[in-house]
Amino acid sequence: DIQMTQSPSSLSASVGDRVTITCRASQSISSYLNWYQQKSGKAPKLLIYAASTLQSEVPSRFSGSGSGTDFTLTISSLQPDDFATYYCQQSYITPPWTFGQGTKVEIK
Amino acid sequence: QVQLVESGGGVVQPGRSLRLSCAASGFTFSKFAMHWVRQAPGKGLEWVAGISYDGSNTYDAVSVKGRFTIYRDTSKNTLSLHMNSLRPEDTAIYYCARGSGTRSLNFDYWGQGTLVTVSS
Repeated sequence: DIQMTQSPSSLSASVGDRVTITCRASQSISSYLNWYQQKSGKAPKLLIYAASTLQSEVPSRFSGSGSGTDFTLTISSLQPDDFATYYCQQSYITPPWTFGQGTKVEIK
Repeated sequence: QVQLVESGGGVVQPGRSLRLSCAASGFTFSKFAMHWVRQAPGKGLEWVAGISYDGSNTYDAVSVKGRFTIYRDTSKNTLSLHMNSLRPEDTAIYYCARGSGTRSLNFDYWGQGTLVTVSS
């Protein structure tokens, strides 16, 4: 199985900060990488698919980049609504589809 | 609008069975693969099982292989997960999710989840 490792596991940031979360795959996954946001007590929400394509109605302050084994999710200017846990997920060729362990973004 | 509504969760003893259901609406159910993803209390997300748009192919995680069965009823727009031989480590919120994307399979819509607790 392909292992996904996110860093950091948690971070504290202020409104307006630029935030970057990284995700590393245990083998090359091309651009088969998605990002989700999950708020406490809620279902996950798709933010970015295919490494860099913004899902419909997701604010443009979110962006994704990378290919192969290393990927990043960037929030250009953190807003109060963005405090949540973020997960990456790979979908390379065949199941199992695996997630990173999550990165919790907290208020500083 | 797309809606996925899970039901069937509850408290069950180890070794017993439970069936989860997911009612889909707001899209053409027969055109999309569907999946179950779970989240143990305070933990991350784990893909559990998936089924192709026409039901001809199913996939499941090693952790549930031989115990869980995913199936779909297109006539009722319903996705199900039949869980046998339940273990305490199966305790989790179970989410139904729609599979989408050609460039990268993703889960673009999720239900609100149903909690399964396996405990004696």
